[in-house]
Order: sequence, then structure tokens, then C-alpha cells
Amino acid sequence: EPEVTQTPSHQVTQMGQEVILRCVPISNHLYFYWYRQILGQKVEFLVSFYNNEISEKSEIFDDQFSVERPDGSNFTLKIRSTKLEDSAMYFCASSEDRGRQYFGPGTRLTVT
Amino acid sequence: AQKVTQAQTEISVVEKEDVTLDCVYETRDTTYYLFWYKQPPSGELVFLIRRNSFDEQNEISGRYSWNFQKSTSSFNFTITASQVVDSAVYFCALIGNTNAGKSTFGDGTTLTVKP
Repeated sequence: EPEVTQTPSHQVTQMGQEVILRCVPISNHLYFYWYRQILGQKVEFLVSFYNNEISEKSEIFDDQFSVERPDGSNFTLKIRSTKLEDSAMYFCASSEDRGRQYFGPGTRLTVT
Repeated sequence: AQKVTQAQTEISVVEKEDVTLDCVYETRDTTYYLFWYKQPPSGELVFLIRRNSFDEQNEISGRYSWNFQKSTSSFNFTITASQVVDSAVYFCALIGNTNAGKSTFGDGTTLTVKP
């Protein structure tokens, strides 16, 4: 089965620093997503991206967050100035249509 | 607005018991998709099943079965003859057709299967 990949698997950063989380979606997929899961809680939608623009974003996705598809294969999530509460597992997902989403293995972000 | 409710926070069973995980959903969309995912301690989300709103047939895959009932907005998941390896957090999720692909997840049910 095709896979979504994410790097790094674990990122430790200091509060106030910028981080970029990277994802390589499945090659023929057109829709891309980021989700967040704070430890012990449910998975929360952050943003969806289609045709090089944001389709929908949640209240969590404020001005500190941005997404980009810089080169036709990668899909990145940038957090400009990390806060302690940004510590979470971040999942990237992609889909061919609006049906099944294929999730990557996640990046665990720890903000100290 | 979309909502998924998994009322059971934690379930503990003994190996070989059957267990049913409940999922109730709300959506205004007439076309939608329902999913179940397994999240083992390693943290990844493992896809188990997708069901379209227009297909109410129940499904069985090995020890797993799913009961979709539109009349009660429920999509319950049963594990037959549970095994220790089934221990994980299980999430039910919903994608409505008008929501740009946004998945709404339930809070999850932590299943512990004891030997």
C-alpha cells in the first residue's frame, strides 16, 4: 500500500523557535491535510490544502501556522514561534478525493 | 457542524471476550464517510475501515465487524474473540462531503485486553 512519510519523527525545540515539519504525500493525491494530537487527547484537524491553497482551517490554525507545497512533492507545516502548548503529535495526511485519507506516521514535537 | 461521540472512554476485557466499541455521529451532510482507526502505543493511526453514507451493509473482516445504522446515526465496531494485540486506542471519524475533507474524530476508546 502507498505511504505518506513524515520527517523528522521527533523534534525538540525551544519555546519561541520556528519549526518546519515535513511530509511527502502519496504522489497522485491532490488533497493534503495536517492534524494535531496532544498527548492523550483526540486527533484535531488543523488545515486542508488543495490546488495550492488552503481549503479550510480550524481555530487552532492561527497566524503562527502556515503550510506550503514548495516543490510538488513535499508538504510542510511551519510554526513560526513555538509555544509550550504546541507540543503534540502532528499527522500529515493525503487523499485522492474527499474520501479516505492516508495518514503519515506522525512527528512528535516537544517544545521546552 | 460535525460531531463524533465515543461514549466509552476505557474498556477492559479478558482475552477471547467479544467487545463492541460505540460510535455516534452528527452531520448535516447527506453524503459522508465514516472511519475507524486503531492507534497502538507506538502512536501511528492504522486505518481499519471506511463506510460511505449510502452503503448501510454491515462488514466483517476476520475478527472485526462493523454495524452501520443511519436511523440511529451509529457506526459500532465489534472485535470477536479479542486478543492482547488488540489493546490500543480506537478512534471513530467522520468526513462530510461539504467540509473540504476535514476529518472529525471522536475522543477515542482505550481498549485493554488482558491475558
